[in-house]
Amino acid sequence: GQNIDQPTEMTATEGAIVQINCTYQTSGFNGLFWYQQHAGEAPTFLSYNVLDGLEEKGRFSSFLSRSKGYSYLLLKELQMKDSASYLCAVVAGDYKLSFGAGTTVTVRA
Amino acid sequence: GAVVSQHPSWVICKSGTSVKIECRSLDFQATTMFWYRQFPKQSLMLMATSNEGSKATYEQGVEKDKFLINHASLTLSTLTVTSAHPEDSSFYICSARGEREEYEQYFGPGTRLTVT
Repeated sequence: GQNIDQPTEMTATEGAIVQINCTYQTSGFNGLFWYQQHAGEAPTFLSYNVLDGLEEKGRFSSFLSRSKGYSYLLLKELQMKDSASYLCAVVAGDYKLSFGAGTTVTVRA
Repeated sequence: GAVVSQHPSWVICKSGTSVKIECRSLDFQATTMFWYRQFPKQSLMLMATSNEGSKATYEQGVEKDKFLINHASLTLSTLTVTSAHPEDSSFYICSARGEREEYEQYFGPGTRLTVT
């Protein structure tokens, strides 16, 4: 199996930056996904990293270090609508996704 | 593109009855579909993987006789919760993997099941 760790909760102010870390231990690594999930809704795709480095997509960026088993999701210029749970998920060996427990981000005015 | 639907979006049933949840890929053919369960404030837990035309592969601890999965076509998979109990109340989410994308999964909107 895979061990995937991410913080449980984070709080930040509107307009600020928040970085959500994810560490994992796995074999046969085939990439890491970040999803956003609002309460009672399905996860929506944010990013996919399989190579080391930073992927930037608008206000959201995702970084991966395969050698360290580490990724982070960076949310810039936070908006109230960014309040949600952020899920780190690893693909290892086969096509199955293993999810972390999720990080609940609360954006305050 | 890559839209996945689920039906129903929510259902309430009595203990002991069975409930069927449908997952459809609307604009692509899904070679593989996945069923997840999510309890409040917890992450998604994979229940089973289904490939069109073959038996589903269940994760450890998931009862295959209780959670029946049928993937009869490339656009439809169904999950039937048999003899439902209150502890089966959860948010059930399906996802589909297309023919082109190697690892990305497209998620359905989820089905909220409440067993009374």
